[in-house]
Amino acid sequence: DVKVTQSSRYLVKRTGEKVFLECVQDMDHENMFWYRQDPGLGLRLIYFSYDVKMKEKGDIPEGYSVSREKKERFSLILESASTNQTSMYLCASRIAGSSYNEQFFGPGTRLTVL
Amino acid sequence: KQEVTQIPAALSVPEGENLVLNCSFTDSAIYNLQWFRQDPGKGLTSLLLIQSSQREQTSGRLNASLDKSSGRSTLYIAASQPGDSATYLCAVVDTNAGKSTFGDGTTLTVKP
Repeated sequence: DVKVTQSSRYLVKRTGEKVFLECVQDMDHENMFWYRQDPGLGLRLIYFSYDVKMKEKGDIPEGYSVSREKKERFSLILESASTNQTSMYLCASRIAGSSYNEQFFGPGTRLTVL
Repeated sequence: KQEVTQIPAALSVPEGENLVLNCSFTDSAIYNLQWFRQDPGKGLTSLLLIQSSQREQTSGRLNASLDKSSGRSTLYIAASQPGDSATYLCAVVDTNAGKSTFGDGTTLTVKP
């Protein structure tokens, strides 16, 4: 089975802190994604990566950056956390080469910024 | 811009009932449609994936259909159980850059 893991289930940070959210997948997937999920707004794509060292902005990249130094790991970085970044963050991965394939999600990180 | 709608937002049924969840999308230029289940506070679990060239997919008590021309998909759950209680989301993958667009989900409650 595909396994996508996220470094923390729950995280509490203060405004202005730099926050790192880590995602690791064990199935050699090239494509990886970061979403946030908010009540009433659904899932929104923040960034995605087609392969190592590649990154593309999603629909709401402002205030975030990403890093993909290794194929299995995709990190989301909040440069200076703000209260409006309090959310559920979900990472996903997918086999490359075709958009016909399933996305597999991690368990999510519930981030609270105080 | 692709829009995905799921109606109803919430559904409550007695155990044992068969039910249908609906998903509609505005742009038929899709690669596939995927149905997910999400339990409270958890990530998304993939249930079924239907390619754009397919009409339906089945897994156990679940059957998903796709009518690309009308922009509709349904998820049929047979003989519902309390353990089926969750939020069900659908997502389409656009041919434009292969990005996914998600619906807001239908929250299903199956009462014993």
